[in-house]
Amino acid sequence: DIQMTQSPSTLSASVGDRVTITCRASQSISSWLAWYQQKPGKAPKLLIYKASSLESGVPSRFSGSGSGTEFTLTITSLQPDDFATYYCHQYNSYPYTFGQGTKLEIK
Amino acid sequence: EVQLVESGGGLVQPGGSLRLSCAASGFTFSSHWMSWVRQAPGKGLEWVANIKKDGSQKYYVDPVKGRFTISRDNAKNSLYLQMNSLRAEDTAVYYCARIDYDSSGHFDYWGQGTLVTVSS
Repeated sequence: DIQMTQSPSTLSASVGDRVTITCRASQSISSWLAWYQQKPGKAPKLLIYKASSLESGVPSRFSGSGSGTEFTLTITSLQPDDFATYYCHQYNSYPYTFGQGTKLEIK
Repeated sequence: EVQLVESGGGLVQPGGSLRLSCAASGFTFSSHWMSWVRQAPGKGLEWVANIKKDGSQKYYVDPVKGRFTISRDNAKNSLYLQMNSLRAEDTAVYYCARIDYDSSGHFDYWGQGTLVTVSS
């Protein structure tokens, strides 16, 4: 199975900050990676797919990059609505796997 | 508007069975692979199963193989998850999710989830 490791597990930041979350795969997954945002008690929401494609309706302050085994999600100019938990997800091969999550907290 | 609405969750004893349903609307259900993803209380996301558009291919995560069965009824725009021999570690919110397009695997729409609690 492909292991997905996110860092950091928790991130404290302020409104207006630029933050980066990293996701590393245990083997190459090409660009078959998605990022989701989840708020407490809610379903996850797709932000980025195929490593760098922005889902329709998602603000342009979200961006994704990377290929192979290392990927990043960057949020520029954090807004109050962005404080949530973020998950990466590989769909290169079965079983699909997720990172353990990164909780973005208000500093 | 795409909608996925899960139902069928509840409290079940270890070793018991439960069948989850997901009613889809707002899109051509038969044109999309579909999935179940679960989340144990306070934990991260775990993919459970995928099913092809016509139901001819199914994939499962190892811990549920032989116990869970994913199925669909395209005439009823519905996705199902039959869960047998349930264990405490199956306790989770179960989400129904749509896979965006054929050659992809990312989930572009999710239901609100249904809670399954396995406990005596």
